[in-house]
Amino acid sequence: DTGVSQNPRHKITKRGQNVTFRCDPISEHNRLYWYRQTLGQGPEFLTYFQNEAQLEKSRLLSDRFSAERPKGSFSTLEIQRTEQGDSAMYLCASSRPGTSGGGNEQFFGPGTRLTVL
Amino acid sequence: RKEVEQDPGPFNVPEGATVAFNCTYSNSASQSFFWYRQDCRKEPKLLMSVYSSGNEDGRFTAQLNRASQYISLLIRDSKLSDSATYLCVAQARNTGKLIFGQGTTLQVKP
Repeated sequence: DTGVSQNPRHKITKRGQNVTFRCDPISEHNRLYWYRQTLGQGPEFLTYFQNEAQLEKSRLLSDRFSAERPKGSFSTLEIQRTEQGDSAMYLCASSRPGTSGGGNEQFFGPGTRLTVL
Repeated sequence: RKEVEQDPGPFNVPEGATVAFNCTYSNSASQSFFWYRQDCRKEPKLLMSVYSSGNEDGRFTAQLNRASQYISLLIRDSKLSDSATYLCVAQARNTGKLIFGQGTTLQVKP
């Protein structure tokens, strides 16, 4: 399967614990995005990498959240001291750069569903 | 006010019906627009891009009106398999990040 993969698919944790999610993008895609989706809402942008550089972070990304893409390939999203409000689906997407510096189709992974008890 | 706004529905229609979804966006700097489809507990998947000149793909037609910052999706001859949530999406210039509407739920009934 050459699509975007995410692990784990499901994570249940207790409030206050740290969790880490992994995203493996499509291999030739240099752009990688993280989004968060809560029930009944559309996905919301969290952060964006071009190669290994993190170029934009949403205000939604509090200081408990950190994302990395150390070699410009896979990415990790860590949430420290989880809160019940962090319960959501965390989606990763990847794309090639657009032809004029803009966008191109983003391909989404299956998501990691986080439940904080 | 959300940057992309949609009526969440649900829209309940019989098979064979024509249904139209609308969406408005507030950031005139947005570069590109899309409709994504999302099935229950699955990831969003691109349905089609939206252009000012209109875009048709089989039973689906999408239209963009930049002057009024309005996007539409028309589905003709609805099928049971069209039941899903349809997400209206604006794409930011330069970063390419996607700004999603809340989604409109469609339920096609036999």
